[in-house]
Amino acid sequence: GQQLNQSPQSMFIQEGEDVSMNCTSSSIFNTWLWYKQDPGEGPVLLIALYKAGELTSNGRLTAQFGITRKDSFLNISASIPSDVGIYFCAGQEPTFLTSGTYKYIFGTGTRLKVLA
Amino acid sequence: EAGVAQSPRYKIIEKRQSVAFWCNPISGHATLYWYQQILGQGPKLLIQFQNNGVVDDSQLPKDRFSAERLKGVDSTLKIQPAKLEDSAVYLCASSPHRGTFTNYGYTFGSGTRLTVV
Repeated sequence: GQQLNQSPQSMFIQEGEDVSMNCTSSSIFNTWLWYKQDPGEGPVLLIALYKAGELTSNGRLTAQFGITRKDSFLNISASIPSDVGIYFCAGQEPTFLTSGTYKYIFGTGTRLKVLA
Repeated sequence: EAGVAQSPRYKIIEKRQSVAFWCNPISGHATLYWYQQILGQGPKLLIQFQNNGVVDDSQLPKDRFSAERLKGVDSTLKIQPAKLEDSAVYLCASSPHRGTFTNYGYTFGSGTRLTVV
């Protein structure tokens, strides 16, 4: 099935550094979501974006809905050890299913490791 | 509120055996999803239920996978017979709204890690 491309695939950073990651697609999306997954757990929603160009923050996290609707960006400021995990983007396809629902596609993930 | 409950947490089976996973969504959530997450990849949607009806099963390998949500509450996902490539984490998620996102997105369970040997 289709998946969104995330980069980087993985990154090691020092505690206190800022982190940037992005998600790109060949097709447009109506909604972008960012999730974090800790080992052995399901993904947890961090930020949801609903409009092209939208910039939304959640604490030290800031995400943007790309103006082309084909990409999104997530920034983490002043990283701390508990930021370690895998970050996934997810896009809502604009195709309205006959069921009256939409389909969501997940990215390949960015694995973040923070060095204390 | 209680989260999405899944069981078992882990399962190891031999290829060609059968296995079943159970999910109890958040109370009142009409929409339930089963995702397959292969190691190193993002979750892939297998099937989506709206109450007790299937609204999308286009990526479910129907020759071996089946799922049901008979009373519109909890759900089971079955694999019969299992193959080595079915080794993955099977995640269940639920949402209170009919497919479209609210500010809350949808909530995932902790998943069942399946190993097929």
